[in-house]
Amino acid sequence: EAGVVQSPRYKIIEKKQPVAFWCNPISGHNTLYWYRQNLGQGPELLIRYENEEAVDDSQLPKDRFSAERLKGVDSTLKIQPAELGDSAVYLCASSRPDNYEQYFGPGTRLTVT
Amino acid sequence: SQKIEQNSEALNIQEGKTATLTCNYTNYSPAYLQWYRQDPGRGPVFLLLIRENEKEKRKERLKVTFDTTLKQSLFHITASQPADSATYLCALDDTGTASKLTFGTGTRLQVTL
Repeated sequence: EAGVVQSPRYKIIEKKQPVAFWCNPISGHNTLYWYRQNLGQGPELLIRYENEEAVDDSQLPKDRFSAERLKGVDSTLKIQPAELGDSAVYLCASSRPDNYEQYFGPGTRLTVT
Repeated sequence: SQKIEQNSEALNIQEGKTATLTCNYTNYSPAYLQWYRQDPGRGPVFLLLIRENEKEKRKERLKVTFDTTLKQSLFHITASQPADSATYLCALDDTGTASKLTFGTGTRLQVTL
């Protein structure tokens, strides 16, 4: 099966600019996760979707971050405006119903200058 | 406060030896624990899951133990190979519903000839 697809793989922007990341999960995976991974750290959950519903967004900085998962398939994570501290790798993952294994995409490396 | 600790120093071992990585946690009551492998520039890849009522799990050259009294999991790679060189992350879920994984910082393993 095809893996989790993310784009772009790399993005460099100036602070205060907007940026968006896109994720296409594995077909049939109804749960989708967005994580942020800082250098030398493990991934930290930002938001979790069950189909099109955001069921856990407690870690999402809602003043500048937003996400959507229209039709319960693809998802977009947006930052507006970006800050220097947002530089990190943004990972998307998906999982099947009743399966604890998460499948990760390659991530988008964001650099804010 | 809740904490997951993995050895931040890299583990260097010789090919053919057994690598043992440690994951300690505090203020969690995990229903299960997962181990992931992460290569540079890639997303984590699921390796093994062990439940709170299981003491040991094996998969090929991999073995995971889970001691809820010591609040510790050990991850072993037997007959290690240079291709096993990567960062290994442990992750806990104490909801029992696969809804929220919290990752450790990971330990980098380097296997040399």
